Amino acid sequence: AQSVTQLGSHVSVSEGALVLLRCNYSSSVPPYLFWYVQYPNQGLQLLLKYTSAATLVKGINGFEAEFKKSETSFHLTKPSAHMSDAAEYFCAAGRGGGSNYKLTFGKGTLLTVNP
Amino acid sequence: DAGVTQSPTHLIKTRGQQVTLRCSPKSGHDTVSWYQQALGQGPQFIFQYYEEEERQRGNFPDRFSGHQFPNYSSELNVNALLLGDSALYLCASSLAGSSLQPQHFGDGTRLSIL
Repeated sequence: AQSVTQLGSHVSVSEGALVLLRCNYSSSVPPYLFWYVQYPNQGLQLLLKYTSAATLVKGINGFEAEFKKSETSFHLTKPSAHMSDAAEYFCAAGRGGGSNYKLTFGKGTLLTVNP
Repeated sequence: DAGVTQSPTHLIKTRGQQVTLRCSPKSGHDTVSWYQQALGQGPQFIFQYYEEEERQRGNFPDRFSGHQFPNYSSELNVNALLLGDSALYLCASSLAGSSLQPQHFGDGTRLSIL
């Protein structure tokens, strides 16, 4: 069974500092990969997706992620953190054809941004 | 353009009762997936509906059932509620096709079991 591991349940950074949230997947065949963000009392918002077209994926709000098959990783980064980035971030993997896939989520990483 | 809408937003039930949650997909979407998110955890896949049929199912008991209507909206039913069913239930919609289409999530229904 596919699994997604997010290293660090809580990451704290200063405003303006680099954000790095780690995600590893377990699969011999690279699945679809996604990063979602969840603000309090809200659903999940898609940040970016990996579709095998490019290993460096750019998303919304200045976030990007790099797919590394050799490391089975899909880490999320942002060069400069903003207070509005404080939220919970989920990495997810999907397998299947077209849109007929189910998502397997990591346990999430809570990002705190300090002024 | 309306996104995924779920109702109700909050619900309180007691053990043994039954509950129905509702989801309207984003305009133009035809596939609905349901997820359960326990407190402090990532969402877990319950099942997926397409063309009014359950297409995939996660590791959830038969107490969890669903339905999709001709207008693509969907219901999640849970029977014989347990305390452990307390969670945020998320609905996600997408468009079926050969290319990858991301799932769009609603804000969820917060279910509390007393």
